Parts: sequence; structure tokens; C-alpha cells
Amino acid sequence: GQSLEQPSEVTAVEGAIVQINCTYQTSGFYGLSWYQQHDGGAPTFLSYNALDGLEETGRFSSFLSRSDSYGYLLLQELQMKDSASYFCAVRDLNTGGFKTIFGAGTRLFVKA
Amino acid sequence: DTGVTQSPTHLIKTRGQQVTLRCSPISGHKSVSWYQQVLGQGPQFIFQYYEKEERGRGNFPDRFSARQFPNYSSELNVNALLLGDSALYLCASSLEDNYGYTFGSGTRLTVV
Repeated sequence: GQSLEQPSEVTAVEGAIVQINCTYQTSGFYGLSWYQQHDGGAPTFLSYNALDGLEETGRFSSFLSRSDSYGYLLLQELQMKDSASYFCAVRDLNTGGFKTIFGAGTRLFVKA
Repeated sequence: DTGVTQSPTHLIKTRGQQVTLRCSPISGHKSVSWYQQVLGQGPQFIFQYYEKEERGRGNFPDRFSARQFPNYSSELNVNALLLGDSALYLCASSLEDNYGYTFGSGTRLTVV
């Protein structure tokens, strides 16, 4: 089957850098995405990696290593508004067709 | 660009009833996906449709069904509701398949 693991909680201070890791198990890997979700809100797309390497979008960067079944989201210059849940999601192609599997989420707390 | 719109926003149903949830994707988006999210967990994939064809199905019972219309809007139907179906149902759309999704605000379904 498919599974993703990411830490349940991370705490960091304003202005710091934080890395949220994600390891996955899937047989038909197609890509790794990251989403942000504030309490009571809908998930918001942050980044997508289909190939190995680093993708940078402003303060957020995402990395993928397909050989290690591993990726991470890097948040720089943390702001209080970055306090939210962050989900990694794997797109998988298997006998049932395409599936997008979300991790359980990492709750990020940014302290002043 | 009005975003992904879902209706209704809230719904209360009785066990055994049937429910239909509706989703209008961003104009021009051909892919629509449905997710179920329980508080404190990541979204669980239910269905994906692309160009009106089912592209993927998650591990949900046959009580769950969906379809996509020629205008790319979509409906999710759930029959014989159970208490455990109480959740936030999210719809997401994307321009093409296999790319970052834009989520709607969801339909909060409560089964009593």
C-alpha cells in the first residue's frame, strides 16, 4: 500500500528556519506536493516536486530524493502567520488509478 | 477567478439518508478531486476526475460515488449515511492532471 510519515509537531521561533521531513512508501510514485492549512481553512498548495532536487518559491523551498523516498519542506524567515498544519502528499499510480495520498500533517508553532 | 466553490457549506443528515455535495472548479480547470477530512487528520482521497472520466478512486465503500459534468463541475454522492461519515468534504481542482490543486472551503457534513 501507500504510506507517508511526517513529524506531528514542530516548534520554532520567529525569523528562524524550519525543515519538515516526509518519508513515503508507494509503488507508483508520480510526485510529492506540500500543502499548508490554517485552522478552519482549506489546504493551500505550496509546492510540487516530480524530479529530484530543490524547488524554491519565495520563503518556501521543497526538496525531493526519489531514491530515498524522502522529501522536505524548508520554511525560511519564519513569521507568526506560518503557524499552521503542513501536509506532504504523494501522487501515486496503481491498479486503482491515480491517487493522492496525504500525510497526517505536521503542526508548526511559531513563537515570538 | 472565483476560486473553487462548494455547496452547501454545512449539512446535517440522519443516519441512512443520502447526500449530494456539489463543486464548481476554477474556470478552465479540467481536473476535480474529492477528499474527506476528519479533524486532526490529513485529507483522505475519495475520487479524482479529469475530462469527465474517473482517474482514481480511494479506499472508500461503494456508498460513495461521484461524477463530473461537461462543464467540469462535479457531484459527490454518499448513500446510506453512517455516523462515521461526519467530516469536512473538500473539493479541489487543477488546470491539468498531476499538478497542484486549489481547494474549496469544503462542506461540513454532520450525520446524527
